[in-house]
Amino acid sequence: GQNIDQPTEMTATEGAIVQINCTYQTSGFNGLFWYQQHAGEAPTFLSYNVLDGLEEKGRFSSFLSRSKGYSYLLLKELQMKDSASYLCAVRSGGATNKLIFGTGTLLAVQP
Amino acid sequence: NAGVMQNPRHLVRRRGQEARLRCSPMKGHSHVYWYRQLPEEGLKFMVYLQKENIIDESGMPKERFSAEFPKEGPSILRIQQVVRGDSAAYFCASSLGGLDRGEAIFGSGTRLTVV
Repeated sequence: GQNIDQPTEMTATEGAIVQINCTYQTSGFNGLFWYQQHAGEAPTFLSYNVLDGLEEKGRFSSFLSRSKGYSYLLLKELQMKDSASYLCAVRSGGATNKLIFGTGTLLAVQP
Repeated sequence: NAGVMQNPRHLVRRRGQEARLRCSPMKGHSHVYWYRQLPEEGLKFMVYLQKENIIDESGMPKERFSAEFPKEGPSILRIQQVVRGDSAAYFCASSLGGLDRGEAIFGSGTRLTVV
């Protein structure tokens, strides 16, 4: 089966650091993506991990452990505009290119 | 350098009518994906197409739903005889090649309301 778990909601303070976790159990694995989605808008790409370790891109970093079926997205120096849903997605194995999404984590950044 | 273009942004249909959703991929992209998003739920994969070919339609309901990506023109998601449960946001994404070559870029979605 395919299962991707994320916390439903999180709250953090402006200027702080927040870590959003994602665990997955999928029939195959060919990489993990993080997307940001503001209400009523398109998901926008944040990061891609296919090998174990940390990928850093500005204020955002993403970590992957394939053996544990685990990833996290780290957001530093939080800004109000970071309030959004954060979607974890696994690219399943085989010839298909489909992404399997978790239900997303709604992050609220407070002043 | 337009992104993924979807139209219409909002579509209202009465039960039993047909809904046609259009998606023009980013220039140069030949892979298209359709996803459905219900309120408070995640994006659910529907279908993956390349030009003139359906590669994976494992997420498409067996009846009333069809998709195409012709040699010329946009990709079309067609829903026949719509029912209230079809009300959702439908997102299209495109990629240059397989996802190992780059991420999928999403359009702004079509919000379908069935009344």
